[in-house]
Amino acid sequence: ETGVTQSPTHLIKTRGQQVTLRCSSQSGHNTVSWYQQALGQGPQFIFQYYREEENGRGNFPPRFSGLQFPNYSSELNVNALELDDSALYLCASSGGLAGGTWTDTQYFGPGTRLTVL
Amino acid sequence: AQKITQTQPGMFVQEKEAVTLDCTYDTSDQSYGLFWYKQPSSGEMIFLIYQGSYDEQNATEGRYSLNFQKARKSANLVISASQLGDSAMYFCAMREGQRGYQKVTFGTGTKLQVIP
Repeated sequence: ETGVTQSPTHLIKTRGQQVTLRCSSQSGHNTVSWYQQALGQGPQFIFQYYREEENGRGNFPPRFSGLQFPNYSSELNVNALELDDSALYLCASSGGLAGGTWTDTQYFGPGTRLTVL
Repeated sequence: AQKITQTQPGMFVQEKEAVTLDCTYDTSDQSYGLFWYKQPSSGEMIFLIYQGSYDEQNATEGRYSLNFQKARKSANLVISASQLGDSAMYFCAMREGQRGYQKVTFGTGTKLQVIP
């Protein structure tokens, strides 16, 4: 069973640029959620995708957008980067069978650390 | 009001001792789930244990157990026989709503340090 993977591991951008982060969900999972974790804080929910549709959104502006593909992998796009966007971006997949039982547990990838200069 | 409250920013525990990390939550939903995650300095969020709101038994996973007190809205994590590798940030989290929409709210975390 393949776990959640994210790319790239690290990224440095300048203010005003655009960035795309990628996530491959754990095999068998159909839901992907994205989180932003600023230094010293807990993760904050950005949005969730279920079967290629946005299925819920946190308090993030529209310049944060996403996609989910038929294989359930996902992208997070951030336009017009600001200094405060510097954070660890975590992807989590969920919605699958574990030991024959449906599980809602979210399993996280290693994250992408974004630095905006 | 905070949905998830972790009141212990940092905790120390002696190796091989047990430690309890506190978590209280706030929700008006009848159906919800509570999770604990471990985040080492590498950054990856590692799932530890899950408790459903309708589960009557406290969840256990190896050295981890969740002390679920529904009336008090608390979901404390107990780690038995602490090991040096347990040193990390620990986050309590709650899933609200029905299946299919799984927004998870995290607390601010507790930094656990295991002393040899």
